[in-house]
Amino acid sequence: DAKTTQPTSMDCAEGRAANLPCNHSTISGNEYVYWYRQIHSQGPQYIIHGLKNNETNEMASLIITEDRKSSTLILPHATLRDTAVYYCIVRVGWSNYQLIWGAGTKLIIKP
Amino acid sequence: SAVISQKPSRDICQRGTSLTIQCQVDSQVTMMFWYRQQPGQSLTLIATANQGSEATYESGFVIDKFPISRPNLTFSTLTVSNMSPEDSSIYLCSVGGNGQSSYNEQFFGPGTRLTVL
Repeated sequence: DAKTTQPTSMDCAEGRAANLPCNHSTISGNEYVYWYRQIHSQGPQYIIHGLKNNETNEMASLIITEDRKSSTLILPHATLRDTAVYYCIVRVGWSNYQLIWGAGTKLIIKP
Repeated sequence: SAVISQKPSRDICQRGTSLTIQCQVDSQVTMMFWYRQQPGQSLTLIATANQGSEATYESGFVIDKFPISRPNLTFSTLTVSNMSPEDSSIYLCSVGGNGQSSYNEQFFGPGTRLTVL
């Protein structure tokens, strides 16, 4: 069963920051939060992951609440090519791990 | 990162037949995963295939229906057996781990789009 809940869809204006929320209220202390995206007809693409601290890379920032029950993925300057389904995922296990996928948010970037 | 290719990229098959999907990676990896993505849905893990051991299947998936081979650290196959229209999905291969430590992320192939008539 999915351990995350996300809004079904969101819109964002091109050039603005896209903020995608995710709830994971049952996450365990050693389980990571991952974000992937899937552009139409392609395989999923890794974006970012984190455990407790906020994380930033060249693609996005991940803000995790102190209680770890929710997080937000931030795309700082959305472009039309960021239109995709964004999945918030919980990683369970360590050496033999699994990614438990949520239903995803369809993000549409509008010009 | 790892570069993953899958063959075929798509196929249309008749019910009752079987299709074998190949997954090739450009580097040695410990863990390979097979997922199914039904139309408009999220990803569901079918099984984990580690080299040198039997594949581990998730609830709802059985070896007779989805036999998997993992002959070496760069290759795996998934067979969809005795197909029915309900098997129409995208099948995705992904990889993680390099035998020494776990990758922090899984890398995905482009997927195989299967349509069963």
